[in-house]
Amino acid sequence: SQTIHQWPATLVQPVGSPLSLECTVEGTSNPNLYWYRQAAGRGLQLLFYSVGIGQISSEVPQNLSASRPQDRQFILSSKKLLLSDSGFYLCAWSPGQLYEQYFGPGTRLTVT
Amino acid sequence: AQRVTQPEKLLSVFKGAPVELKCNYSYSGSPELFWYVQYSRQRLQLLLRHISRESIKGFTADLNKGETSFHLKKPFAQEEDSAMYYCALRLWTSGTYKYIFGTGTRLKVLA
Repeated sequence: SQTIHQWPATLVQPVGSPLSLECTVEGTSNPNLYWYRQAAGRGLQLLFYSVGIGQISSEVPQNLSASRPQDRQFILSSKKLLLSDSGFYLCAWSPGQLYEQYFGPGTRLTVT
Repeated sequence: AQRVTQPEKLLSVFKGAPVELKCNYSYSGSPELFWYVQYSRQRLQLLLRHISRESIKGFTADLNKGETSFHLKKPFAQEEDSAMYYCALRLWTSGTYKYIFGTGTRLKVLA
């Protein structure tokens, strides 16, 4: 069966420090991958999505970037964190043409 | 522009009362709509999709294209229904499906 993992579960980082959040999917190949941010009062905001290795689409201009170095690995990065980057980051995958998205457990990021 | 609106941030109802979580969408194409739910300390998960016309955990949602709505309903709320509910619009763009989520509604079912 398919599973999705996110690492780390929680993270506290100072302003200006770099960021790397990892998402991996098991049990499937060539998934569509997504990064969302869940911020209080703003709901679920799509940040990036990827349909294949090295293919990244950005939804909103921001301080973050994403990469997909392997088929089932999706990384969210920042060179210098801002206070406004704090939030709950969710990774999700979907099996291409089918309907459902499956979400990971999330990473709680606090920028201090 | 595509948009999903959930006007209520918080909805409190008593156990046994009817529930309606509102969702309106803006999309020029043929919409595909979903309801996702996040229970306390659990992952966000799919509750139901409009195309299936199914009832899950007593919840139903009907797509009304005239009113551009996809409200989630349940005739008798249960305490275990307390959760965060997100309405989502799925659209095809740039070679993939993309989801646009609403801001969510927290449902609290009171004993």
